[in-house]
Amino acid sequence: QSALTQPASVSGSPGQSITISCTGTSSDVGGYNYVSWYQHHPGKAPKLILYDVTKRSSGLSNRFSGSKSGNTASLTISGLQAEDEADYYCSSYTTSTTWVFGGGTKLTVL
Amino acid sequence: EVQLAESGGGWVQPGGSLRLSCAASGFNFNNYNMNWVRQAPGKGLEWLSYINAVAITMYYADSVKGRFTISRDNARNSLYLQMNSLRADDTAVYYCARSQLAAFDMWGQGTLVTVSS
Repeated sequence: QSALTQPASVSGSPGQSITISCTGTSSDVGGYNYVSWYQHHPGKAPKLILYDVTKRSSGLSNRFSGSKSGNTASLTISGLQAEDEADYYCSSYTTSTTWVFGGGTKLTVL
Repeated sequence: EVQLAESGGGWVQPGGSLRLSCAASGFNFNNYNMNWVRQAPGKGLEWLSYINAVAITMYYADSVKGRFTISRDNARNSLYLQMNSLRADDTAVYYCARSQLAAFDMWGQGTLVTVSS
């Protein structure tokens, strides 16, 4: 199972919006609405932010939103804040009854 | 407090074995499916294995199939990963993660496994 494809890095200034893409195949991202997104500050436990493509984890700011078109899912963070700086990973359930993650995207808040 | 805490990591020689544990607290462990996920140095997250709440169904990534075994003891609120025939590329931080439908809604802090001669 190949990893989902994410950009290695994205950046934005405070208050701006950024979008991180996550591209898979019809066997994973395109085949199910089971894409989730995780925020990971190095040295800490990863944190679920979105699940089932668009649903926000409990208590999560509505600055985070998700979408999907075909084999590509996207995470959008609006109103960037310094504490959003982290690594972000997408994940999808697959037809092989396994899960696959993306390679991760490092978000830098300028 | 709801939490997961991994233990059992350490240094092991190639070809060796190690057993990781994950202690759950603050929630009804018996009701949840569980997973192991790892992150090699400088790399992304990699899903490894899943076990359902009653330990009947298990799934594995191809990279660990036949070498790693997931198990659980609901009486002890604990999840395990038996790792055999370890290789240098198994060096990683290993996380246990709780399933909520098709997502992983709670994670531990991780335990480091180093495979080296």
